[in-house]
Amino acid sequence: NAGVMQNPRHLVRRRGQEARLRCSPMKGHSHVYWYRQLPEEGLKFMVYLQKENIIDESGMPKERFSAEFPKEGPSILRIQQVVRGDSAAYFCASSPWRTGGAGANEKLFFGSGTQLSVL
Amino acid sequence: DQQVKQNSPSLSVQEGRISILNCDYTNSMFDYFLWYKKYPAEGPTFLISISSIKDKNEDGRFTVFLNKSAKHLSLHIVPSQPGDSAVYFCAASGGGGGSQGNLIFGKGTKLSVKP
Repeated sequence: NAGVMQNPRHLVRRRGQEARLRCSPMKGHSHVYWYRQLPEEGLKFMVYLQKENIIDESGMPKERFSAEFPKEGPSILRIQQVVRGDSAAYFCASSPWRTGGAGANEKLFFGSGTQLSVL
Repeated sequence: DQQVKQNSPSLSVQEGRISILNCDYTNSMFDYFLWYKKYPAEGPTFLISISSIKDKNEDGRFTVFLNKSAKHLSLHIVPSQPGDSAVYFCAASGGGGGSQGNLIFGKGTKLSVKP
């Protein structure tokens, strides 16, 4: 019964390169959330996806960042032309259903994160 | 503009004593509050939560208190154990526009429980 799987655990990129972060939700979960944690900061919401749909991308930077959750395969967070300020821990979470209401947030299960370092 | 604030970056407590972690918020529309625990190199794990219509929720050694008038909540751990040493994040939801899963996190408090 695997949890939320993120890979790679560590990713090093040079400025201007592309970073692809992958997230496989828990079995039976069809909702995925991406969060970013900058050094000395709390986690900040980026995007909420359901299979093939972006539900809420209010936390995504307007440029260079994109996310998808295809019908088959993991969710991908893509960062184009990375800059040093993108260095952070990126966490993915999943939940089993869209329940609505406040209690739904208890059902978020987080992965161990991908630490992105931009040189 | 931090809507959820944890003003103590760190806290050190002796094993067996009470740990009290504090959290303040500014958005009166938050309707649900959660505490997450995070070990190094791992993702956050859900610990305990409280609805804004309640003022206390207890689960074993963990109790969360909510004071809506002061926009303040606290997490009490009694008795504290060395395994409780971790970073604790306070989070809130329902701030008037966020979707499911859109939580507002504080910066965290690093708790160290000394044997």
